[in-house]
Amino acid sequence: EVQLVESGGGVVRPGGSLRLSCEASGFSFDDYGMTWVRQAPGKGLEWVTGINWDSTTTGYADSVKGRFTISRDNAKKSLYLQMNSLRAEDTAVYHCVRVRIAPGVPLDYWGQGTLVTVSS
Amino acid sequence: DIRMTQSPSSLSASVGDRVTITCRASQNINSYLNWYQQKPGKAPKLLIYDASNLLSGVPSRFSASGSGTDFTLTIDILQAEDFATYYCQQTYSSPQTFGQGTNLEI
Repeated sequence: EVQLVESGGGVVRPGGSLRLSCEASGFSFDDYGMTWVRQAPGKGLEWVTGINWDSTTTGYADSVKGRFTISRDNAKKSLYLQMNSLRAEDTAVYHCVRVRIAPGVPLDYWGQGTLVTVSS
Repeated sequence: DIRMTQSPSSLSASVGDRVTITCRASQNINSYLNWYQQKPGKAPKLLIYDASNLLSGVPSRFSASGSGTDFTLTIDILQAEDFATYYCQQTYSSPQTFGQGTNLEI
């Protein structure tokens, strides 16, 4: 069974940093690209960043470019999101998501998410 | 960025009804369109990928079609467990973007 379990969320002050982790199990982690998708309270879904299987390609939403960094450790079957210079508008549930191997690269397995609250 | 617009934003229906949700892209996205279902307090679930491919395990009452800029998701014979929010997503170009969601309620 595919499982994605996020951790590392919490309350942080504006300008602060946080590192999210995602532990994967139930599939060959190093075969898949991975992404982070966030959802602000009561709002819709926003793609944040993605990374390919061997970390050679990454992409970021403009809203987080230069502040967030995605990385992965295939030996540990883990995905990370380093978030710096956090803003109130970064407050959201952050989901770790697997990218299906298909032409349209859909997001086929989602973790339950970890809540990040940026507040003074 | 490609803008995805869903209609309606909310929809009231009854068990047994047939409902259709539409998703329009601001530019051609070929068939790089996916549909997700999200229930309150839960993570989204992929239902349909590449515009019309039903994910294994998803009930056959769900179907979808479209290409280019206009797409539809249809649910035949609504069941109680289908009441949720539905999102479309384009993966044609980066950044991938989602529609604003359609809240399907009883």
